[in-house]
Amino acid sequence: GQNIDQPTEMTATEGAIVQINCTYQTSGFNGLFWYQQHAGEAPTFLSYNVLDGLEEKGRFSSFLSRSKGYSYLLLKELQMKDSASYLCAVIDSNYQLIWGAGTKLIIKP
Amino acid sequence: DVKVTQSSRYLVKRTGEKVFLECVQDMDHENMFWYRQDPGLGLRLIYFSYDVKMKEKGDIPEGYSVSREKKERFSLILESASTNQTSMYLCASSLGGQGEYSNQPQHFGDGTRLSIL
Repeated sequence: GQNIDQPTEMTATEGAIVQINCTYQTSGFNGLFWYQQHAGEAPTFLSYNVLDGLEEKGRFSSFLSRSKGYSYLLLKELQMKDSASYLCAVIDSNYQLIWGAGTKLIIKP
Repeated sequence: DVKVTQSSRYLVKRTGEKVFLECVQDMDHENMFWYRQDPGLGLRLIYFSYDVKMKEKGDIPEGYSVSREKKERFSLILESASTNQTSMYLCASSLGGQGEYSNQPQHFGDGTRLSIL
């Protein structure tokens, strides 16, 4: 079966750095998304990776290793507004999007 | 900016009722999706559509149907609501049709929290 694993919950301190991991076992791979979802709101697109390596976008970066079936989202200079759930999603060989259950990130002052 | 609008933020219905959830997008996107989101389970795809009058079953289509008569509108129908359909329902849209266009990000509505009593 197809599976995406993310930690259920993480806690970090304002101003610090946090890395949210995502590992996947899917039938093929055609890209990986990260989304942010604040409580009670819609998921919003953060990043897309299809090639190995690091993609940087301001305070947020996303890394992909296709050979390891692994990605991470790196958040720097954490702010209270970064408290949210972070969803990892993989496009499989049939171009279907497989979603992880999400990681709830709690930021403490 | 893309705007995906769902007709209701909160909805309470009774078991056995026929329930309609409406979704409209304003960016001429080909693809539209209906998901439900439950704690610990992530987003699960109910149905999607890649063109007007076209629909494909997702992972959990049982108990649901959809309608796409116009490009901008995608409706989800609960034929006879049951308590296990109490959930958050999210509509999304994206550019492109099938296949290789799946690398386009999906844009989501704010969701409808549906309670079936």
